[in-house]
Amino acid sequence: NAGVTQTPKFRVLKTGQSMTLLCAQDMNHEYMYWYRQDPGMGLRLIHYSVGEGTTAKGEVPDGYNVSRLKKQNFLLGLESAAPSQTSVYFCASTLAGFAEQYFGPGTRLTVT
Amino acid sequence: SQQGEEDPQALSIQEGENATMNCSYKTSINNLQWYRQNSGRGLVHLILIRSNEREKHSGRLRVTLDTSKKSSSLLITASRAADTASYFCATDGYQAGTALIFGKGTTLSVSS
Repeated sequence: NAGVTQTPKFRVLKTGQSMTLLCAQDMNHEYMYWYRQDPGMGLRLIHYSVGEGTTAKGEVPDGYNVSRLKKQNFLLGLESAAPSQTSVYFCASTLAGFAEQYFGPGTRLTVT
Repeated sequence: SQQGEEDPQALSIQEGENATMNCSYKTSINNLQWYRQNSGRGLVHLILIRSNEREKHSGRLRVTLDTSKKSSSLLITASRAADTASYFCATDGYQAGTALIFGKGTTLSVSS
């Protein structure tokens, strides 16, 4: 039982490049989330999903896209990376919206 | 827009002392949760307190909730160096039960 895993752990991109971050969970959770964490800002919700095939915007969705084709996976895409997207990205999942969230280890992304 | 705001932003204590951190929020909630984040790691759930509860204990942790003041406190008794981490409160005020809103956190440093 791996819980929530994230791939990759680290990535450096040049401005304008694209990439996809993968989040996988093996707990059969319906809800999945993508957050970014910047110094002094806490966690901010980017996008979330309340079930397979559904996605919704969070607090800071601009510049990101997501997909939830399979229940266990939640992908976060950056189509044209910008230095402002330098951050640590966390994925989380939960059984229900108000319940305890389980977090992945994070992906540290630097955009130069 | 962040719902929960932790206070203080940083706290330094000696081993064996108690640590108290506070969280204030703005709108009505169904529950409030506390999470811990060790440096470079994902968040780990500590405790959930429902709106109809006033106090909850888990080991050395004691959480109180005052819905009339829209505030919560997390008390860690007999602190250890291993308690050094950032602590976040999270409330369920986002999009009617689909996602949590996290505060900016309190950074606790426990020295031996």
